Amino acid sequence: GIQVEQSPPDLILQEGANSTLRCNFSDSVNNLQWFHQNPWGQLINLFYIPSGTKQNGRLSATTVATERYSLLYISSSQTTDSGVYFCAVSDKIIFGKGTRLHILP
Amino acid sequence: EPEVTQTPSHQVTQMGQEVILHCVPISNHLYFYWYRQILGQKVEFLVSFYNNEISEKSEIFDDQFSVERPDGSNFTLKIRSTKLEDSAMYFCASSGGGLVKYASYNEQFFGPGTRLTVL
Repeated sequence: GIQVEQSPPDLILQEGANSTLRCNFSDSVNNLQWFHQNPWGQLINLFYIPSGTKQNGRLSATTVATERYSLLYISSSQTTDSGVYFCAVSDKIIFGKGTRLHILP
Repeated sequence: EPEVTQTPSHQVTQMGQEVILHCVPISNHLYFYWYRQILGQKVEFLVSFYNNEISEKSEIFDDQFSVERPDGSNFTLKIRSTKLEDSAMYFCASSGGGLVKYASYNEQFFGPGTRLTVL
């Protein structure tokens, strides 16, 4: 089956810093989503981005489908950005292990 | 904004008991899913459901699990005889059409989850 690798596994940043989270996948996919799991465990949709680039406020994402990776950019981090960020691909959604982000005040 | 809802938010049960987890997908969505997340681990696919039947299931989804869409709005996951290792957060999701603005047809929307604890 498709393998999804996310990096880095953990990231600690000072408030205001920028970050880039990466997702590599082992085969071509029709679907790719980025989620934020907040401290209460809820999975919040960030982007549906099987290809191309999208932006939403301080967040943006780029997927290069031909090279099988996606990047999530977070600019001017805030403490509320803390949590786990998951990349998920394919129809039955295969999740990566996530990147745990800690934003320090 | 339409959303997926799940009840209960927490469920505590004794080993061997049956549990039913409830989900109300986004109205007019056509595809429904259950996922689980054991504490500290990644989210795992259990089953997908379309046109009143299971379209795909994982190896986790054994004979102890079943799904049902008893009416036009609810989607349930039943675990017949719970085991300790069934303790996890269970997420319902839906996709395919519906009333969410700007959403892609294939984009899945997740409910808030039911935390199941088996004692």
